[in-house]
Amino acid sequence: GIQVEQSPPDLILQEGANSTLRCNFSDSVNNLQWFHQNPWGQLINLFYIPSGTKQNGRLSATTVATERYSLLYISSSQTTDSGVYFCAVGAGGKLIFGQGTELSVKP
Amino acid sequence: DAGVIQSPRHEVTEMGQEVTLRCKPISGHNSLFWYRQTMMRGLELLIYFNNNVPIDDSGMPEDRFSAKMPNASFSTLKIQPSEPRDSAVYFCASSPRRGGYTFGSGTRLTVV
Repeated sequence: GIQVEQSPPDLILQEGANSTLRCNFSDSVNNLQWFHQNPWGQLINLFYIPSGTKQNGRLSATTVATERYSLLYISSSQTTDSGVYFCAVGAGGKLIFGQGTELSVKP
Repeated sequence: DAGVIQSPRHEVTEMGQEVTLRCKPISGHNSLFWYRQTMMRGLELLIYFNNNVPIDDSGMPEDRFSAKMPNASFSTLKIQPSEPRDSAVYFCASSPRRGGYTFGSGTRLTVV
């Protein structure tokens, strides 16, 4: 099956800093999403981005499907950005999750 | 749009008891998914339905687990009998034909 690798596994930032999270996947996909799991456990959909670039406020994402990777950019980080960021990829209907990047933003 | 609705939010039960988790997907979404999240194994897909039909249940851990989707607006995940190792957060998600998944808030199950 499809393998999903996220890096780094952990990241500590000072408030206001920028960061880039990476997701590599092993096969062609027709679905790629980035999720944020907040400290209360909720999984929030950030981007549906099987290819191309999207931006939403301080967050943006780029997927290069031909090279099998996606990047999530967080600019001017805030303490509320803390939590786990998951990349999930899919082909043929089901979504496979990576192990996540745990982000901690310090005030 | 109320999103994907799961109930209960928390469930504590004794080993051997039957547990039923419920999910109402977003209206108009044609696919529904059940995931389990644990520290050890992360987020695992248990089963998914397309147009109310189970498509892939290869992630269901064993015969104690069963899932049904009697209509487009309701699904259940049942564990009978429950065991302590079933303790986890169970998420339901739905998606349209084209587009991303939306997750419910999850059910935190504790089996003692």
